[in-house]
Amino acid sequence: ETGVTQTPRHLVMGMTNKKSLKCEQHLGHNAMYWYKQSAKKPLELMFVYNFKEQTENNSVPSRFSPECPNSSHLFLHLHTLQPEDSALYLCASSQKDEYNEQFFGPGTRLTVL
Amino acid sequence: GQNIDQPTEMTATEGAIVQINCTYQTSGFNGLFWYQQHAGEAPTFLSYNVLDGLEEKGRFSSFLSRSKGYSYLLLKELQMKDSASYLCAGMDSNYQLIWGAGTKLIIKP
Repeated sequence: ETGVTQTPRHLVMGMTNKKSLKCEQHLGHNAMYWYKQSAKKPLELMFVYNFKEQTENNSVPSRFSPECPNSSHLFLHLHTLQPEDSALYLCASSQKDEYNEQFFGPGTRLTVL
Repeated sequence: GQNIDQPTEMTATEGAIVQINCTYQTSGFNGLFWYQQHAGEAPTFLSYNVLDGLEEKGRFSSFLSRSKGYSYLLLKELQMKDSASYLCAGMDSNYQLIWGAGTKLIIKP
């Protein structure tokens, strides 16, 4: 238990569906992250929020839309995804400072049919 | 560009020692992290090095050479539960983590 929770743990969706992934951190951190993890590839940073403000968007397609209503919650809204978007989506949080150890949630295994 | 290289897969025997190497190229450098990730689970923090040398933590040790852009994770007295992927990540000048693809470690009895 890392103090970061994610729901759902597994999600299967069609290309025309709309769904949302949820992340919550109970660590009092000020930064939250979305990563995509595909088999045998490095973790791909998608979005970073510092104090609820988005500071990074690594050229992520607009079919992925993040939302950070407060410093404890982070959402990833999904719309008209492609089969190649199937992956493990990991949320992380950290106290953004010189150390910046990131704590990860268990991830959502997404399958797009 | 920024890059982290580590072997894709390694195999070792229970009770033995294994060293997982990592080379990094980052824009600026603010430290090197190692994480462990069991299949289907979240990555969990193992170690952080920012100065040259060896940091020991129980059965696990991590080494850093900044001049060589090199780190390794040393696992002693291997146990079956150590079968996992080990992720190397360098922190750049913006305190952003640059991740390697991970090394899958297989432990055999």
